[in-house]
Amino acid sequence: AQSVTQPDIHITVSEGASLELRCNYSYGATPYLFWYVQSPGQGLQLLLKYFSGDTLVQGIKGFEAEFKRSQSSFNLRKPSVHWSDAAEYFCAVVGGYQKVTFGTGTKLQVIP
Amino acid sequence: DTEVTQTPKHLVMGMTNKKSLKCEQHMGHRAMYWYKQKAKKPPELMFVYSYEKLSINESVPSRFSPECPNSSLLNLHLHALQPEDSALYLCASSQDPASGSYEQYFGPGTRLTVT
Repeated sequence: AQSVTQPDIHITVSEGASLELRCNYSYGATPYLFWYVQSPGQGLQLLLKYFSGDTLVQGIKGFEAEFKRSQSSFNLRKPSVHWSDAAEYFCAVVGGYQKVTFGTGTKLQVIP
Repeated sequence: DTEVTQTPKHLVMGMTNKKSLKCEQHMGHRAMYWYKQKAKKPPELMFVYSYEKLSINESVPSRFSPECPNSSLLNLHLHALQPEDSALYLCASSQDPASGSYEQYFGPGTRLTVT
């Protein structure tokens, strides 16, 4: 069965600082991986996705993620965080027949 | 256009009421999903419709009844709910499942409160 682990429940960074959110997955085959962002009381917005090919993928809002098969990781990065990036971030893997498994989420707080 | 719309935005209902949640997408997607999300938790899959047919039911209680009248529309009928069913209900859609494109696009959700 597929699973996703986001080890950091809560992360606080200063505005302008760099950001890395960790995600580890477990899946037997080549995974389809996603990062979503959710502002309070809102739906989820797709930030980026990895299916195959280049292991460094670019997304919206200046985010990127790197797929590392040897480490079963798909960490999300941003070089300079803005106050508007404060939100909940979910890593997800798609397994059999479109079933998405989400990680437990990482809440990002941005301080001035 | 990558928009999924949901109505209503908020819903308060008593335990004896019958209500429905509505979801609509006009992206030509052929798979649609219902998720339930409790506070500070990730979304939990409830139902998947593929080509207007129910393909996955994650052992959801029968007081939740999904319906997919056409490829653009997804409803969730609610009856005799319990207070613990209060949550954010999210709808999502994705492209033709056979194409191997799995990214899901989410609506803004309906905040449901059962009193």
